[in-house]
Amino acid sequence: AQKITQTQPGMFVQEKEAVTLDCTYDTSDQSYGLFWYKQPSSGEMIFLIYQGSYDEQNATEGRYSLNFQKARKSANLVISASQLGDSAMYFCATFRGPSGTASKLTFGTGTRLQVTL
Amino acid sequence: DAGVIQSPRHEVTEMGQEVTLRCKPISGHNSLFWYRQTMMRGLELLIYFNNNVPIDDSGMPEDRFSAKMPNASFSTLKIQPSEPRDSAVYFCASSFEGAFTDTQYFGPGTRLTVL
Repeated sequence: AQKITQTQPGMFVQEKEAVTLDCTYDTSDQSYGLFWYKQPSSGEMIFLIYQGSYDEQNATEGRYSLNFQKARKSANLVISASQLGDSAMYFCATFRGPSGTASKLTFGTGTRLQVTL
Repeated sequence: DAGVIQSPRHEVTEMGQEVTLRCKPISGHNSLFWYRQTMMRGLELLIYFNNNVPIDDSGMPEDRFSAKMPNASFSTLKIQPSEPRDSAVYFCASSFEGAFTDTQYFGPGTRLTVL
């Protein structure tokens, strides 16, 4: 079974600064994927970024990047140039691959990020 | 393109009543997921469908919960009878299983309150 651990229940960051949200995972699978989702106070779950276990390069999507360290089983989310609108809950999640065998996502408990002026 | 559509967005009902939540997945997606989110238990997968067929319902809490997917563009989650402990936000998500990333896209959720 897979497990996701997010050890930071809450984080503060000043506007325009970078912030790293931690995520470690536990899986015995060779093929898996890692996701980050954002949940603002309005409640919707917004997909941010994906990293495949075989991807050699860290994934990037605009101001979001994923610091993937396979040997340490960590997949930290880095948000550069934080904005007030980044204030939200952030969830790390994993699924087993390859596609079609088990698409169930396992979520962490989330980290609440607050961006301050 | 329209995202995942859920209705209603909010539902308030009394204990013992039947509740039906509805979901329209993204067109072309072949997998559909129902999740429940509470403060105590976080995000839990209740059931998921692939090509309209239920694949894994091990997360369905008990017989009071049932889900159907009669066609590729519609799914329902029914609770009968509802209980106060069912109060939660229920999310529907869809993905295209076949592409390796299998990214799941979530609907806006239905906030259910059972009095």
